[in-house]
Amino acid sequence: AQKVTQAQTEISVVEKEDVTLDCVYETRDTTYYLFWYKQPPSGELVFLIRRNSFDEQNEISGRYSWNFQKSTSSFNFTITASQVVDSAVYFCALSESLNNAGNMLTFGGGTRLMVKP
Amino acid sequence: GAVVSQHPSWVICKSGTSVKIECRSLDFQATTMFWYRQFPKQSLMLMATSNEGSKATYEQGVEKDKFLINHASLTLSTLTVTSAHPEDSSFYICSARDGREMNTEAFFGQGTRLTVV
Repeated sequence: AQKVTQAQTEISVVEKEDVTLDCVYETRDTTYYLFWYKQPPSGELVFLIRRNSFDEQNEISGRYSWNFQKSTSSFNFTITASQVVDSAVYFCALSESLNNAGNMLTFGGGTRLMVKP
Repeated sequence: GAVVSQHPSWVICKSGTSVKIECRSLDFQATTMFWYRQFPKQSLMLMATSNEGSKATYEQGVEKDKFLINHASLTLSTLTVTSAHPEDSSFYICSARDGREMNTEAFFGQGTRLTVV
């Protein structure tokens, strides 16, 4: 069975601080996808990144960066120089591949990030 | 990215009535759609998977007679909450997979916030 754990339920930082959101996953599949989504108060899910299990290269997109460590089954997300607009709930998710990136997702419990001015 | 439209965005209904939620893929053919439920301050849980033209597959613990899913066309899936009760109040969100694309994630609708009074 698949499982995603986000140990941090809530994080509060002051604007301009860096913050890392942790994600640890469990799966028996050798091929899988990992995702991060942002959920602002309005509720919609904003896609941030998809990574397949064969691609351990870390990625940077503006103030966002992701660290995929297959050896520790972790896919952590760092926001550099956080801003108030980053305040949201962030979900890490996992899907088995079955040769398709668009499969159902197993979500972590989410981390509520509050960035204070 | 591809667009998935979910309607209504919010609905309030009386206990005992039924509510239908629509999920439409606007610019692609969705061979598979997924329905998730999110209770307040909790994570998203998969309710069911629907494939166009066939019966939906429900996750354990989800009553198929209460949550009716119809996926009669490649662009539309509906979730009907029958005889709704206050405990069904939740955020329901669909996602749709483009049947032609194997390497893209499923796309989420905006979600529907259901309140049963």
